[in-house]
Amino acid sequence: DAGVIQSPRHEVTEMGQEVTLRCKPISGHNSLFWYRQTMMRGLELLIYFNNNVPIDDSGMPEDRFSAKMPNASFSTLKIQPSEPRDSAVYFCASSLEGKGYGYTFGSGTRLTVV
Amino acid sequence: QKEVEQNSGPLSVPEGAIASLNCTYSDRVSQSFFWYRQYSGKSPELIMSIYSNGDKEDGRFTAQLNKASQYVSLLIRDSQPSDSATYLCAGNDYKLSFGAGTTVTVRA
Repeated sequence: DAGVIQSPRHEVTEMGQEVTLRCKPISGHNSLFWYRQTMMRGLELLIYFNNNVPIDDSGMPEDRFSAKMPNASFSTLKIQPSEPRDSAVYFCASSLEGKGYGYTFGSGTRLTVV
Repeated sequence: QKEVEQNSGPLSVPEGAIASLNCTYSDRVSQSFFWYRQYSGKSPELIMSIYSNGDKEDGRFTAQLNKASQYVSLLIRDSQPSDSATYLCAGNDYKLSFGAGTTVTVRA
């Protein structure tokens, strides 16, 4: 299995621009998570999908952030408009449903907003 | 109160020593627990999971869970320079909540 695949690996954009991050979960996993990691705040859960349905988006910082999962093999996280404080590493993770399963993380997207 | 707290670190140990990492958790995460290792610039990697009270051993790693004290720990025996990384504790209710991590440096 190729694991969780994220693209792009690095993104540098100017403030005010739209940014779209992409994720392909592991085939057969029915839960998908978007996390953001910064030195100050650590790993923060942004949104959680189960069977392609958003279950908990309480971690999404504000309306500038949106996430979709149109099918079981693809999800996007969009930031519009982007701001310098959005600079972070964004991880996508997938899992089988259930409390006993750990998550498999993708390689992450390092976002820099200048 | 955060669901998972890691207050120790950074931790520096000599090669061959035991590294001991600790984590406490709140009532909201009480089902299963995980330890992740994250090398600098890389993504978190699952190394241990534990669900019931007691110890669980996997190679040089031992996870310990004490539900009465709401405490989970990770011991790394015979530490190697390749163990130098940040270790994240996570607890699972319906989603994983992560601690802030403990950075371990193994001195050769």
